[in-house]
Amino acid sequence: AQSVTQLDSQVPVFEEAPVELRCNYSSSVSVYLFWYVQYPNQGLQLLLKYLSGSTLVKGINGFEAEFNKSQTSFHLRKPSVHISDTAEYFCAVSQIKGYQKVTFGTGTKLQVIP
Amino acid sequence: DAGVIQSPRHEVTEMGQEVTLRCKPISGHDYLFWYRQTMMRGLELLIYFNNNVPIDDSGMPEDRFSAKMPNASFSTLKIQPSEPRDSAVYFCASSLALGGIMNTEAFFGQGTRLTVV
Repeated sequence: AQSVTQLDSQVPVFEEAPVELRCNYSSSVSVYLFWYVQYPNQGLQLLLKYLSGSTLVKGINGFEAEFNKSQTSFHLRKPSVHISDTAEYFCAVSQIKGYQKVTFGTGTKLQVIP
Repeated sequence: DAGVIQSPRHEVTEMGQEVTLRCKPISGHDYLFWYRQTMMRGLELLIYFNNNVPIDDSGMPEDRFSAKMPNASFSTLKIQPSEPRDSAVYFCASSLALGGIMNTEAFFGQGTRLTVV
């Protein structure tokens, strides 16, 4: 079984300030990790993913995430946020082996304040 | 490809009525997922298919919910009878497994917003 925990349901941050959205996962097997973004009234779209190799992953819109196996974390960061980054962000995990079942966290709403 | 297509975008129905949500996955994708999103529970996986075969339906909340995938280009999620607590946004997503490597992202449709009154 696998699970994802996003402890922060909402994160307010001023425009141009840095932000970190936290994600911790639990799994008995090796996993792939993802961050998705959902803009209002839209479906989810992929920001970035960790499959293997370098633990620092860069995605679209200036976001990056770091995989930390010892802490089972995959936190999302951006050094300077923009108003357009206001959205809900979901961390997700899927098993490397076996049928692909993607499990999502409960989401973190990022509110960028002008 | 136009992406994952869901219909309708919005559905309002009366309690007790049957509701059918439709999904057309991206051509060539061999996985299809149905998710439900609510404020209380977030994004929940209801069921997913691999090559049109249901693999895991443990997330389906009750027998009132059923899903089918008669072919690679079409899937339905049916609720019969519907209840007000079924009100949510239902997402369909599809993904591709390349050579057995399960590492590809899921592509989401825009969702169906269901309101049961």
